[in-house]
Amino acid sequence: IQLTQSPSSLSASVGDRVTITCRASQVISTYLAWYQQKPGRAPKLLIYAASTLQSGVPSRFSGSGSGTDFTLTISSLQPEDFATYYCQHLNSYPYTFGQGTKLEIK
Amino acid sequence: QVHLVESGGGVVQPGRSLRLSCAASGFTFRNYAMHWVRQAPGKGLEWVAVISNDDSNNYYADSVKGRFTISRDNSKNTLYLQMNSLRLEDTAVYYCARDPAYYHSGNYYNVALDYWGQGTPVTVSS
Repeated sequence: IQLTQSPSSLSASVGDRVTITCRASQVISTYLAWYQQKPGRAPKLLIYAASTLQSGVPSRFSGSGSGTDFTLTISSLQPEDFATYYCQHLNSYPYTFGQGTKLEIK
Repeated sequence: QVHLVESGGGVVQPGRSLRLSCAASGFTFRNYAMHWVRQAPGKGLEWVAVISNDDSNNYYADSVKGRFTISRDNSKNTLYLQMNSLRLEDTAVYYCARDPAYYHSGNYYNVALDYWGQGTPVTVSS
């Protein structure tokens, strides 16, 4: 199963609403997770089961979708949100990641 | 708190072997599936392998199948990755990660990688 994220990079300002899309090459129900990674750091889980917010993650992050099309939305960008975001499916082996979306400051 | 610490990385020649370890603490290790994920320099994340909580199942990415072996010792709270026949393209930072997978109606469901270690770098070079 291939995951395609769009866009690959994105420039936005603090306070903006941002949406990142992840499209699967096959139906994966809601077996999708989203991660945030900052340079030199390990990834951090944000969302699992497509729309469930991981404990401790700010409520400005939300996920939606099922089947093949999924979105990660940040409702109001904060300075600490500038990072690279990855989706990952856990529907069937191998558990592939999307190629990543780099969110940069405009 | 949950703590995962990888070790065993280093510089190795092509064709040689290396074994990575991941020491877990702060949670009941035997209750969780565990994954290895790698990231080549300047590249994205690549899922490598997963092992079930009871060591009954393991699965691999096609790129490492037949060369890498994931294992665990629940008595030592430690995850391993034995890497044989290493190639230049195996150069990456290797992360271990925890997964609160569960059994339901006879099936095993992986959920997500909810905690990650800091990673250990592996460089394959002649």
